[in-house]
Amino acid sequence: EIVLTQSPATLVLSPGERATLSCRASQSVSNYLAWYQQKPGQAPRLLIYDASNRATGIPARFSGSGSGTDFTLTISSLEPEDFAVYYCQQRDNWALWTFGQGTKVEIK
Amino acid sequence: QVQLQESGPGLVKPSGTLSLTCGVSGGSIITTYWWTWVRQPPGKGLEWVGEIHHSGSTNSNPSLKSRVTVSVDKSKNQISLRLTSVTAADTAVYYCARVGKAVVSDYYYYMDVWGLGTTVIVSS
Repeated sequence: EIVLTQSPATLVLSPGERATLSCRASQSVSNYLAWYQQKPGQAPRLLIYDASNRATGIPARFSGSGSGTDFTLTISSLEPEDFAVYYCQQRDNWALWTFGQGTKVEIK
Repeated sequence: QVQLQESGPGLVKPSGTLSLTCGVSGGSIITTYWWTWVRQPPGKGLEWVGEIHHSGSTNSNPSLKSRVTVSVDKSKNQISLRLTSVTAADTAVYYCARVGKAVVSDYYYYMDVWGLGTTVIVSS
């Protein structure tokens, strides 16, 4: 089973600041990695797929990078609506799907 | 645009069976896409439950495998989830989602459309 480890667990920042979230896989997932945003009481929303492709309607301030085992989600300038929990996710060889444990982005 | 809507009993007794459906609107379930279930216990992260293709092919989480059945009803354009022998640990919000494909391959591996979710509590 491929384990995804996200860091940090919590990121405390102010609006306008840059957020850098990390996701590390226990073995290579190539570029088959997705990122989701989840706000309280809402379903997750797809932000990034194939490590760096923004999903439809996602603002350009969200960007993804990385391949293999190390991935990064960057929010270039935090907007008030960006404070949420972010998950990375992969699927292991057409079988087990796994999610990271999440990074919470909190307002300072 | 495709929309998903989960439905089912909000309360299930311990040792009973959880049964949920996910209605697909705005598009046919008979496509190249897979359809999946994900759950989220209160205050915790996301856990993949199982998935299905309209052809009937399925996969499920090994940790749940013997208890999970995912099925498709093409005439109703919906998928279903059945989880047997439930315990309090199965209390969660259950989401259905559509599985999207990588740009440069036929690898289906991320969830691009989600339902709103439905809360299931296991309690006597």
